[in-house]
Amino acid sequence: DAGVTQSPTHLIKTRGQQVTLRCSPKSGHDTVSWYQQALGQGPQFIFQYYEEEERQRGNFPDRFSGHQFPNYSSELNVNALLLGDSALYLCASSPVPSSSYEQYFGPGTRLTVT
Amino acid sequence: KQEVTQIPAALSVPEGENLVLNCSFTDSAIYNLQWFRQDPGKGLTSLLLIQSSQREQTSGRLNASLDKSSGRSTLYIAASQPGDSATYLCAVTGANSKLTFGKGITLSVRP
Repeated sequence: DAGVTQSPTHLIKTRGQQVTLRCSPKSGHDTVSWYQQALGQGPQFIFQYYEEEERQRGNFPDRFSGHQFPNYSSELNVNALLLGDSALYLCASSPVPSSSYEQYFGPGTRLTVT
Repeated sequence: KQEVTQIPAALSVPEGENLVLNCSFTDSAIYNLQWFRQDPGKGLTSLLLIQSSQREQTSGRLNASLDKSSGRSTLYIAASQPGDSATYLCAVTGANSKLTFGKGITLSVRP
């Protein structure tokens, strides 16, 4: 049973460019959340998707957007990249969007903006 | 707004020592608390999940406790080994199923 998978593993982009990160949830999970972890910090919640809709959103600008597909996989898009967007982007999945359930994390995508 | 604090930021201990990692949170209205391990440049590995109705959870050499009313949790690591060296993060889940993380404690176990 595959866990949460993310692609790509690493990515280098230039300021002003756009990037798309991908996540496949753990089998049987239909809820996907995205987190940003800057160096030396704890992960920060970006948003959560369930039933192909954004259900919750953290304190991130509209440059950050996402999508969830019918197979529950998800994309995170970041437009007009800034140097400060350099971080490890983590995807987490859970069986339902309920606070009682454990969230499982993927290995992350390391984004470097130059 | 929920805030999670982990102090100290870093800890170095000799192999074999029993140790306690602390986590505190400001809002006791949580659904659960998770402890994660993160190796350098890697993702998060879940170690223990404690539901709000529970007081503790154990897995091997790890034991986590939760005192929701006082906003505290501890992760106890018995007989530490060099392979335990990593960053340990705690996170609490609020009503919106959002995880709020601390900054983590970087543990180094010296052989």
